Amino acid sequence: QPVLTQPPSASASLGASVTLTCTLSSGYSEYKVNWYQQRPGKGPRFVMRVGTGGIVGSKGDGIPDRFSVLGSGLNRYLTIKNIQEEDESDYHCGTDYGSGSNFVLFGGGTKLTVL
Amino acid sequence: QLQLQESGPGLVKPSETLSLTCTVSGGSIRTSGFYWGWIRQPPGKGLEWIGNIYYSGDTYYNPSLKSRVAISVDTSKKQFSLKLSSVTAADTAVYYCARRGPFYYFDFWGQGTLVTVSS
Repeated sequence: QPVLTQPPSASASLGASVTLTCTLSSGYSEYKVNWYQQRPGKGPRFVMRVGTGGIVGSKGDGIPDRFSVLGSGLNRYLTIKNIQEEDESDYHCGTDYGSGSNFVLFGGGTKLTVL
Repeated sequence: QLQLQESGPGLVKPSETLSLTCTVSGGSIRTSGFYWGWIRQPPGKGLEWIGNIYYSGDTYYNPSLKSRVAISVDTSKKQFSLKLSSVTAADTAVYYCARRGPFYYFDFWGQGTLVTVSS
């Protein structure tokens, strides 16, 4: 099964841009990844799904245009432009694997701090 | 709007069985192509998938938890349930129920419920 690796923390200044990275383990470059946002004290919400060709399907409900994704090799990126205070959250990536894509695993999550 | 709500004891003793129920409202639990899942998050840590169930009863479990987990569904009550046996302090977490759609992501989540394992 794949492994997803995320740096534990990231920071960016208000109004700046930041790119968060989710790295698949070797041999899984064709896998797609889902990004979830989790604001402090709240449950996760779906942001976008991304493969090597970019976004797969549609953004989650209420996700602003400032959020975008890219995929390259083993890396899946979530970029946030013009960062707002409300973007300060934990960002989790997850993927599906196995027979029928019926199994799920998550990365460790990245805590984004807005300075 | 679809809503999911977890319910169950907030405190479970070590070695006992953790039992939670998720009630679905505002939509059908029998919709083709949609799975119902449990995910947990230990305090200060990341998400861990526990398992999914289809309305037909087909189940899929995290291999690392499979020996202790059972997920069931009651379509007449629009509920699905989690049982985790032989719990330890390591099972202390916020437990979420969620819906997984045909495009392989969880699109609706419950608010989560904290379960503490302690004597």
